[in-house]
Amino acid sequence: AQSVTQLDSQVPVFEEAPVELRCNYSSSVSVYLFWYVQYPNQGLQLLLKYLSGSTLVKGINGFEAEFNKSQTSFHLRKPSVHISDTAEYFCASLSGGYNKLIFGAGTRLAVHP
Amino acid sequence: GAVVSQHPSRVICKSGTSVKIECRSLDFQATTMFWYRQFPKKSLMLMATSNEGSKATYEQGVEKDKFLINHASLTLSTLTVTSAHPEDSSFYICSARVLEPQREALNIQYFGAGTRLSVL
Repeated sequence: AQSVTQLDSQVPVFEEAPVELRCNYSSSVSVYLFWYVQYPNQGLQLLLKYLSGSTLVKGINGFEAEFNKSQTSFHLRKPSVHISDTAEYFCASLSGGYNKLIFGAGTRLAVHP
Repeated sequence: GAVVSQHPSRVICKSGTSVKIECRSLDFQATTMFWYRQFPKKSLMLMATSNEGSKATYEQGVEKDKFLINHASLTLSTLTVTSAHPEDSSFYICSARVLEPQREALNIQYFGAGTRLSVL
């Protein structure tokens, strides 16, 4: 069965430091991958997506992610974080039938001054 | 960008009453909408897939008579929690999939802001 694993449940980081949120997926078929951000008591906002083409994907708010097929990873990165980046981040992949999003457990990014 | 509106954002109700939550795609048509439930500090759990003009497809373990879904138009899906009980208290989130002729766009889900349901 298809699955998404986010290796870190919480990532504390200081403001202006770089950050990487890790995501690994399992799939034997074509993969569509997404990163979503959720601020407290809000829905999910799409940060970026990998559907095809370049393996380095740039998203909103200065985030980027790299699709690595050999390592089955799709890690999210930002070179310099802000306090406002504090939120829950979810990695997700589309199921083989392209109908359902499979979510990881989420990573809580806490940016400290 | 695609905007999904979810209403109400918060609802408090008495045990035994029914609550309806609306999910609207504001600037695009969506043949498919999804309903998720999220427990505190947990990931999203897909409850059902709502298809315009047909019956919803429920995930295993989700009671279809408890969570009624109606997708009457290309821009509106509703979730009704019937005879709500305290254990139904949760954060409910809907999403809509963009209807576009391009294949890639079909795979993107846009989410509403969620509804916090509290059953007393």
